[in-house]
Amino acid sequence: AAGVIQSPRHLIKEKRETATLKCYPIPRHDTVYWYQQGPGQDPQFLISFYEKMQSDKGSIPDRFSAQQFSDYHSELNMSSLELGDSALYFCASSLDVGPSGNTIYFGEGSWLTVV
Amino acid sequence: GQQLNQSPQSMFIQEGEDVSMNCTSSSIFNTWLWYKQDPGEGPVLLIALYKAGELTSNGRLTAQFGITRKDSFLNISASIPSDVGIYFCARRIQGAQKLVFGQGTRLTINP
Repeated sequence: AAGVIQSPRHLIKEKRETATLKCYPIPRHDTVYWYQQGPGQDPQFLISFYEKMQSDKGSIPDRFSAQQFSDYHSELNMSSLELGDSALYFCASSLDVGPSGNTIYFGEGSWLTVV
Repeated sequence: GQQLNQSPQSMFIQEGEDVSMNCTSSSIFNTWLWYKQDPGEGPVLLIALYKAGELTSNGRLTAQFGITRKDSFLNISASIPSDVGIYFCARRIQGAQKLVFGQGTRLTINP
């Protein structure tokens, strides 16, 4: 079965540069989530989109922005990169079937290293 | 209220032993999800629970949604080397499109 696809898998950027991560959700899923996971940390919620509209916002820095496109893929844009942005970034997707029944699946993640 | 307390933080066991870990929350909710994460990989969904008291198995894994709706446990029977990893509980925030994770349980198995 198709899973959540993220690209690139690895990315190295210098401080103050910009990075863009892409996410292709599972077909027919209507919700996309972005998470950031630092070394030894649990995943921290950044932002989510439902039907191409921003749904919830977590601890996403103002330097970051995201959107979901008409084909449901999503992009996370990170500007003015800082060393502390080095982390594993996950995208996840789900199909909203009401208060219960949502099952959220994660991609393999994109490793961002800021040097 | 949205925090999940997961324990233990780490476990060191012998191959073949059974494992038990749990998560608690101060608030009630409708969904418990258990994930396993290997180093550098995305969390993989193991078991999803949607009803209080629900007991669900997936091979050697068994998870239960506590009757009070504030806790859940995950058991692994007859552990094998590939069970090594970090196990996270997670809950969906009611009315929101986001998951909150527990701190994780790091499982190490001695052959």
